[in-house]
Amino acid sequence: DAKTTQPNSMESNEEEPVHLPCNHSTISGTDYIHWYRQLPSQGPEYVIHGLTSNVNNRMASLAIAEDRKSSTLILHRATLRDAAVYYCILTQGGSEKLVFGKGTKLTVNP
Amino acid sequence: NAGVMQNPRHLVRRRGQEARLRCSPMKGHSHVYWYRQLPEEGLKFMVYLQKENIIDESGMPKERFSAEFPKEGPSILRIQQVVRGDSAAYFCASSPTGIGEQYFGPGTRLTVT
Repeated sequence: DAKTTQPNSMESNEEEPVHLPCNHSTISGTDYIHWYRQLPSQGPEYVIHGLTSNVNNRMASLAIAEDRKSSTLILHRATLRDAAVYYCILTQGGSEKLVFGKGTKLTVNP
Repeated sequence: NAGVMQNPRHLVRRRGQEARLRCSPMKGHSHVYWYRQLPEEGLKFMVYLQKENIIDESGMPKERFSAEFPKEGPSILRIQQVVRGDSAAYFCASSPTGIGEQYFGPGTRLTVT
């Protein structure tokens, strides 16, 4: 499975935008980029996914670099409830299992 | 539409006993995945099932662990002769198509004493 690299931790202030980076320099043409998050003592929660184009949904935006070697998850206005570990995951075409790394622990300050 | 349900939420077993973890996927979802999160470690894939079939069990320990997803009823993860190292949170996820987003349950926290 292709690997991703994320910062161990990031901090943000409430109501400010947050940009969570992910590097995936060995991504292949059929790999999808997924983001999940895990709040304390809960199961992971799907956030967003994309292939080549930028994606938006009610939770976040996903910006994908033109060469697809990196991507950024954007939370437009962080709230205290967004404090979680965020995982950037690549899935190979036809492979449905998710391979979780260590993720980025996001702290949101009031 | 109810989310993925797992029960029990907490399970305590003595060494050598059997543990049965149940997962009811979201309505209309026929793809189920099991993941394990050991204390202070990341989530690890265990097994992927479709109705009555195991599709990928590359993350399952070779012994004592088994999984099924029958035509009727929930998916079951079974751990025989549990040991202390099996203590972990076990998460189930479901998907309608097997591609794209997976929806996770709240997990079962297994403690082996």
